[in-house]
Order: sequence, then C-alpha cells, then structure tokens
Amino acid sequence: TQLLEQSPQFLSIQEGENLTVYCNSSSVFSSLQWYRQEPGEGPVLLVTVVTGGEVKKLKRLTFQFGDARKDSSLHITAAQPGDTGLYLCADISNTGKLIFGQGTTLQVKP
Amino acid sequence: DTAVSQTPKYLVTQMGNDKSIKCEQNLGHDTMYWYKQDSKKFLKIMFSYNNKELIINETVPNRFSPKSPDKAHLNLHINSLELGDSAVYFCASSQAGYTDTQYFGPGTRLTVL
Repeated sequence: TQLLEQSPQFLSIQEGENLTVYCNSSSVFSSLQWYRQEPGEGPVLLVTVVTGGEVKKLKRLTFQFGDARKDSSLHITAAQPGDTGLYLCADISNTGKLIFGQGTTLQVKP
Repeated sequence: DTAVSQTPKYLVTQMGNDKSIKCEQNLGHDTMYWYKQDSKKFLKIMFSYNNKELIINETVPNRFSPKSPDKAHLNLHINSLELGDSAVYFCASSQAGYTDTQYFGPGTRLTVL
C-alpha cells in the first residue's frame, strides 16, 4: 500500500515570508496532484504533475516533482493570509482513485 | 451555480441510527466519488461510480451503501451508525478520464453521539 508523507504537519508564518512543504511517497507516483482545502470546504486542485523533474508555477506557488517521481515540493513566495489552508498531495491512479497524504496545515498571520 | 452540492451540511445523530447523505453535481460529469476525512484531516476514498456503475469500493464496512439513481447523483446511506463513523464526508465528481480534475463538494460533517 502506497504511503504519502507530508512535512511539516503544521506551519505558522508571518505574511511576506517564504515557505516550502514536502510530499514523499513510499513508491513511484502515477501522477501527483496538489490540493488546497480551506476550512469548511472541499479540496480544490492546484496542479497536476506527471513527468519527473517537472516544475510548474501558479502565481506565487512553485511545484516541483522529483526526478525519481517519488517526491514533490510546494514553495510559496511572499505568503499571504489568503494562502492559509490545508495543503494536500495525492497520487491519482488509472482508475481515478486518489491516495492522499495527511496534509500540511498552513497559517499565514497578517 | 453550485457545481457539487451535498445535503445536509451537518448531521448529528445517535449510535445505531440509519442516515443518508445526498450529493448532486451539475457539471455533466460521468464519475462521482465519496471520500471520508477523519479528525486528523486524513482524506480517504470510499467509493466511485461511473455512469451509475460501481468502479471503486475500498474496504468500507457494508453498513455503508452508495446509491446512484442517475449519473448526476450519488447518495450515501449508512446503517447502524457507530461512533467511529464521525467524520466529514465529501462527494466529488470528474469526467471519465482518470487524470481529470475532481471537483469536491463542501462536505457533510457527521457526528455520532
């Protein structure tokens, strides 16, 4: 059974700081997705990465997929209070089954 | 317009009761899912249906029975509720392709007393 480990579990920072969160898998990802979940809401897809070494940018968010496709990082530049939420990485299989990590809870203080 | 909606938003009930959670999507998607998020925020798939046909059935107790009357609806019925069933349940939908974006509903917080 694939296990996804995210670190850190909790992160509390001041507005304007940079941060990186990590996702490591016990086996090679099929495709990796990052989601953000705000309190009281469902997760929202941020990005899908497929190719080892791939880097994708979404405004102030940079997603990197490891060359061996077993790890990924999410870097946020100049964090804002609106970035607060639970960040989840997930592997998506060829049946659409998502296997999630336990998430990183990010709090950005104004 | 709400893409994926769930009712109710909150559900508080006693152990042993039977309850249902409803899910509807207006995105024209072929596939719908149920996920369970526990108190530690761990999110785990329970079921998926494609065009009313069961595709994924994880090791979920058979007290949980999904029902899909049409491809826009996937309801979750739970019999003989137990304390451990307390969680937030999310419905999601996607097109048929396995890497297609899954759109999640707002969740139903179930509390079993």
